[in-house]
Amino acid sequence: AQSVAQPEDQVNVAEGNPLTVKCTYSVSGNPYLFWYVQYPNRGLQFLLKYITGDNLVKGSYGFEAEFNKSQTSFHLKKPSALVSDSALYFCAVRDVGFWGNKLVFGAGTILRVKS
Amino acid sequence: DTEVTQTPKHLVMGMTNKKSLKCEQHMGHRAMYWYKQKAKKPPELMFVYSYEKLSINESVPSRFSPECPNSSLLNLHLHALQPEDSALYLCASTDITGLNIQYFGAGTRLSVL
Repeated sequence: AQSVAQPEDQVNVAEGNPLTVKCTYSVSGNPYLFWYVQYPNRGLQFLLKYITGDNLVKGSYGFEAEFNKSQTSFHLKKPSALVSDSALYFCAVRDVGFWGNKLVFGAGTILRVKS
Repeated sequence: DTEVTQTPKHLVMGMTNKKSLKCEQHMGHRAMYWYKQKAKKPPELMFVYSYEKLSINESVPSRFSPECPNSSLLNLHLHALQPEDSALYLCASTDITGLNIQYFGAGTRLSVL
């Protein structure tokens, strides 16, 4: 079965500093990987995806993610954090079967950016 | 436009009530999803509709009844819910044949008294 793990419940970073939110994956076959962000009392917003191609994927709001096949990781990064980036972040992998496809989510990481 | 619209935004219901949640998208997506989410936890998949047919039911209690009247609409009918069913209910849709990005609605915050 496809799975992702987010090893950190919470990440704290100062505004202006670079941020990294970690994700590792376990899949059979080629991974379809996604990052979503959730602000309080809101739905999930798509940030970026990796399907194939360049290992560095650029997404919304200045975020990017690096796909590393040897380390089975897909870490989310941003060069300079903003207070408004504070939110709950989910890594996800697509799982496909005869029934169709679904997303398998990690446990989530709370990002707190302090001014 | 990547909008998924959910109504109502908030719902309070007693354990004997019957209510419905509604989800609508006009992106031409042929797969639609219902999720249940507790605070600070990942969404839990409940149901998946593909081409208006139920393709996944993740062993959800029968007090939750999904319905897909057409390719743009998804309903979740609620009856005799329990307090532990209080949660944020999220709808999502995706283009089955494309990049499979799921787009989520803002959710319905449900409280069962």
